Amino acid sequence: GAVVSQHPSWVICKSGTSVKIECRSLDFQATTMFWYRQFPKQSLMLMATSNEGSKATYEQGVEKDKFLINHASLTLSTLTVTSAHPEDSSFYICSASGTGGTQYFGPGTRLTVL
Amino acid sequence: AQSVTQPDIHITVSEGASLELRCNYSYGATPYLFWYVQSPGQGLQLLLKYFSGDTLVQGIKGFEAEFKRSQSSFNLRKPSVHWSDAAEYFCAVGAPLTSGSRLTFGEGTQLTVNP
Repeated sequence: GAVVSQHPSWVICKSGTSVKIECRSLDFQATTMFWYRQFPKQSLMLMATSNEGSKATYEQGVEKDKFLINHASLTLSTLTVTSAHPEDSSFYICSASGTGGTQYFGPGTRLTVL
Repeated sequence: AQSVTQPDIHITVSEGASLELRCNYSYGATPYLFWYVQSPGQGLQLLLKYFSGDTLVQGIKGFEAEFKRSQSSFNLRKPSVHWSDAAEYFCAVGAPLTSGSRLTFGEGTQLTVNP
């Protein structure tokens, strides 16, 4: 149990385009989902926290207009990187948390912006 | 503010040897502690967690961790390491068991296993 999926697993896009990443909890209802960014050989950096049906809470320094987060249902959250640039290239990981509080992580999405 | 320190950036052990990964935390109340493992290019997999009760917790893949409040530590151990254990290990501390509680991660410890 507690499986979280992400799609796509990797994506390459041109600078200036937008990319959407999906995060799904497959076998539980996720009242809260988290989006992280991870640079090579570094720890996870929390970008934002989203609760189903509410606006996401962004961490300081994260541009909410650039990283759009939608949490429309208890099993799906999406992260859209708008007008992507090479510096947005990174590994993006989502996690989902149910009522128990433990976060279960997705497999991550590798974004490369050319 | 909560924080997590993993003093060892990189550890190398021989296959079959015992392993201990250190984790120290700072938290104002009763901590909720986690160990996750990450293989290259993958997400994080939960190894074990401590919420309350017995301070020695058992996890998956033969791992265990011991919560020591007096030392603010939550070290991860395994009696005999397998080559497949080579990965990045993250310790994390969180707020009480609510859905929205965020985690604070340590910087991670890279484990290399020699044959």
